[in-house]
Amino acid sequence: AQKITQTQPGMFVQEKEAVTLDCTYDTSDQSYGLFWYKQPSSGEMIFLIYQGSYDEQNATEGRYSLNFQKARKSANLVISASQLGDSAMYFCAMREGRNTGNQFYFGTGTSLTVIP
Amino acid sequence: DVKVTQSSRYLVKRTGEKVFLECVQDMDHENMFWYRQDPGLGLRLIYFSYDVKMKEKGDIPEGYSVSREKKERFSLILESASTNQTSMYLCASSLFPGGRYYEQYFGPGTRLTVT
Repeated sequence: AQKITQTQPGMFVQEKEAVTLDCTYDTSDQSYGLFWYKQPSSGEMIFLIYQGSYDEQNATEGRYSLNFQKARKSANLVISASQLGDSAMYFCAMREGRNTGNQFYFGTGTSLTVIP
Repeated sequence: DVKVTQSSRYLVKRTGEKVFLECVQDMDHENMFWYRQDPGLGLRLIYFSYDVKMKEKGDIPEGYSVSREKKERFSLILESASTNQTSMYLCASSLFPGGRYYEQYFGPGTRLTVT
């Protein structure tokens, strides 16, 4: 089974609108971390936001927020007020466990295009 | 700031050649990772290392080996390159045990073409 599932290969959003990128995960661990990374066309992976499994509040970082629904095992990324520079690939990732193992699991990514 | 560097941004090799991809990090991180990224497949873990001279296979280790002789350097080796190893290769590092984020820091990637 896939550890991380991103079902949207491509998304379009109008500039200044909000967009939600979907991510579901699969783990039996109680302690885990969820991450979103952005990869512009230049190739570098840029860390955006983190949500710990015990965090009660949804994470927010500027225009990025993570809609964490633990029971549904979903960790959707919400980008508010989209900008042209937000056009990129977005990857959801999970790290299982607290001290055991250090493997990250990545989804297949969502390509976001912001339309002027 | 953490810096992860990779020896080449672009590399073209011939089938059967031995290929070395080098990765260096400057933040004394214990963990280092090699991924390959292919369209529609996301990032797949090839190998990771949690200490000097220690290594663990990831999801797709076949056709690859790694070397970690020094803490800051993690090398990916393609013993005999094949065309199906044409891909983007990403190196990453992280602390262990991590801080709050256990975040992985990535290098700029090496786009390898095997002809």
